[in-house]
Amino acid sequence: DQQVKQNSPSLSVQEGRISILNCDYTNSMFDYFLWYKKYPAEGPTFLISISSIKDKNEDGRFTVFLNKSAKHLSLHIVPSQPGDSAVYFCAASYTNAGKSTFGDGTTLTVKP
Amino acid sequence: DTGVSQDPRHKITKRGQNVTFRCDPISEHNRLYWYRQTLGQGPEFLTYFQNEAQLEKSRLLSDRFSAERPKGSFSTLEIQRTEQGDSAMYLCASSSGQGGNDGYTFGSGTRLTVV
Repeated sequence: DQQVKQNSPSLSVQEGRISILNCDYTNSMFDYFLWYKKYPAEGPTFLISISSIKDKNEDGRFTVFLNKSAKHLSLHIVPSQPGDSAVYFCAASYTNAGKSTFGDGTTLTVKP
Repeated sequence: DTGVSQDPRHKITKRGQNVTFRCDPISEHNRLYWYRQTLGQGPEFLTYFQNEAQLEKSRLLSDRFSAERPKGSFSTLEIQRTEQGDSAMYLCASSSGQGGNDGYTFGSGTRLTVV
């Protein structure tokens, strides 16, 4: 049973517009949620995280929103840039956990 | 610091052979993780070390897989009697805090192809 799901395999947006990537989880025991970005031939790069005691965390152009009741989180990128084109992975973990459980990723394409 | 280094970048092996991968984490990081990723899927946890102690091992990791981190520095992942289903990208990551909470620094991975 997949505990972290990214239901949209791909997303295409115009440069300068907002990109919204979504993630759902089934395990209510998860306390931390993270987003990673991956370019081809490279390992994933950590972007931003949020703990379950918050509903929003912002870092520059990236904002993550958490809706615990819906077991849903989203990553907003504003404004989107062509360099943001990559695969984005959502991940979840418990407090003081070493391991994370990843979704299968969403490929974002930002068109100039 | 050059980040997390993995060697080799690519490995092609015949079914039944043994392979070994190496990971050099960021020197200040005491936690080291191995993940596996197949096409179209996200990274899947294999195992995790804090210093030289292996703290957690996935149930997915069969007895053919073994990982070590002698002296809490670099780590090796060995796969014995490889099978075609072992073909994947093997990712190593390290962290100073709890990686599941604070995020990992990943290496570029070792791509294994079993023919």
